Amino acid sequence: AAGVIQSPRHLIKEKRETATLKCYPIPRHDTVYWYQQGPGQDPQFLISFYEKMQSDKGSIPDRFSAQQFSDYHSELNMSSLELGDSALYFCASSLVLAGPEEQFFGPGTRLTVL
Amino acid sequence: SQQGEEDPQALSIQEGENATMNCSYKTSINNLQWYRQNSGRGLVHLILIRSNEREKHSGRLRVTLDTSKKSSSLLITASRAADTASYFCATVRAAYSGAGSYQLTFGKGTKLSVIP
Repeated sequence: AAGVIQSPRHLIKEKRETATLKCYPIPRHDTVYWYQQGPGQDPQFLISFYEKMQSDKGSIPDRFSAQQFSDYHSELNMSSLELGDSALYFCASSLVLAGPEEQFFGPGTRLTVL
Repeated sequence: SQQGEEDPQALSIQEGENATMNCSYKTSINNLQWYRQNSGRGLVHLILIRSNEREKHSGRLRVTLDTSKKSSSLLITASRAADTASYFCATVRAAYSGAGSYQLTFGKGTKLSVIP
């Protein structure tokens, strides 16, 4: 079965650079979530999209933005990168028609800011 | 702010023993889910228990939920070395504010080591 695809899997950037992370949800899933997991930390919710519209925001810095495109893939754009942005970034997708159910997570993108 | 706190933070057991992990949360929930994460890897969904359920089983996993105490436990029976991982509980809030608002709030996780 198709899973959530994230690219790139690893990314190394310098401070003050920009980064774009991509997420391809499971086909027919209508909701995408982005989470950030710092070293030794639990995942923290950043932002979500339902049917290509932003639906909720969590602890996402103003330097970050995201969108969901017509083909349902999503991109997380990160600007003016800081050392503290080094983390695993997960995308998850789900089908919410029946209510809150299991979220399927991608393998994550490991971002390292030097 | 963190929703859940997990107990213990780290657990080391021998293969074949049972492992019990606990999770507490603060707000009303729709459901509670347990995830597993191998070191630095993705999150794998294990089991979901709804707020109106008290216990659920899946293979060697048993989850309990006590909404009056806002707590849950995950029991892994007959543990194996391959069960070594971090285990997170995650809650979905009860208040509905629109589709796509079912984001997960994770606890801090329990790092389980199963020694062969």
